[in-house]
Amino acid sequence: AQTVTQSQPEMSVQEAETVTLSCTYDTSESDYYLFWYKQPPSRQMILVIRQEAYKQQNATENRFSVNFQKAAKSFSLKISDSQLGDAAMYFCAYRSGGNRDDKIIFGKGTRLHILP
Amino acid sequence: EPEVTQTPSHQVTQMGQEVILRCVPISNHLYFYWYRQILGQKVEFLVSFYNNEISEKSEIFDDQFSVERPDGSNFTLKIRSTKLEDSAMYFCASSETRLPNGYTFGSGTRLTVV
Repeated sequence: AQTVTQSQPEMSVQEAETVTLSCTYDTSESDYYLFWYKQPPSRQMILVIRQEAYKQQNATENRFSVNFQKAAKSFSLKISDSQLGDAAMYFCAYRSGGNRDDKIIFGKGTRLHILP
Repeated sequence: EPEVTQTPSHQVTQMGQEVILRCVPISNHLYFYWYRQILGQKVEFLVSFYNNEISEKSEIFDDQFSVERPDGSNFTLKIRSTKLEDSAMYFCASSETRLPNGYTFGSGTRLTVV
């Protein structure tokens, strides 16, 4: 079974600085997708960034980028120029690329605090 | 931007009572999901639904749970006889295709069983 591990329950970063959130996963599959979701105090789950396992190039979305290391099964999220609105719970997540599996598997999350 | 709408935002129910959580997915989406998040814990998959039937369910989704798309727009989760441990945030999500562009989640319904 696939698992997602986020080893940092909480992190803090100064506003305008850069922070990296760690995520590792375990799978025997070669075809899969990885996600970072943000959950602000409003509790809604918002997709931040997505990475297809078959792509070597790391995904980027504005200030958000990932470091995808497939061999190491690592998928970290870098937030550049941190803003107060980035304060949230961040979940790393995995989804199989096969046709049988619908579910997304989430890690336990990292709570990110932005210090003004 | 299209949204997934969930109602109510918070529901309190007595243990043993039936509860129905409602969701209106994005109109052109075909795949529907329920997840739950017990306070302070990770988000867990409950069930996926496509073409008017369950396509996958987790071990959490036992006989006390059921889902339905009664009228082509709503997608409901019913818990027949609620237990204290059903207290959680329940998220509905939908997607247009099976390609995992990432679901669109609703804002959740906080269910409190007393």
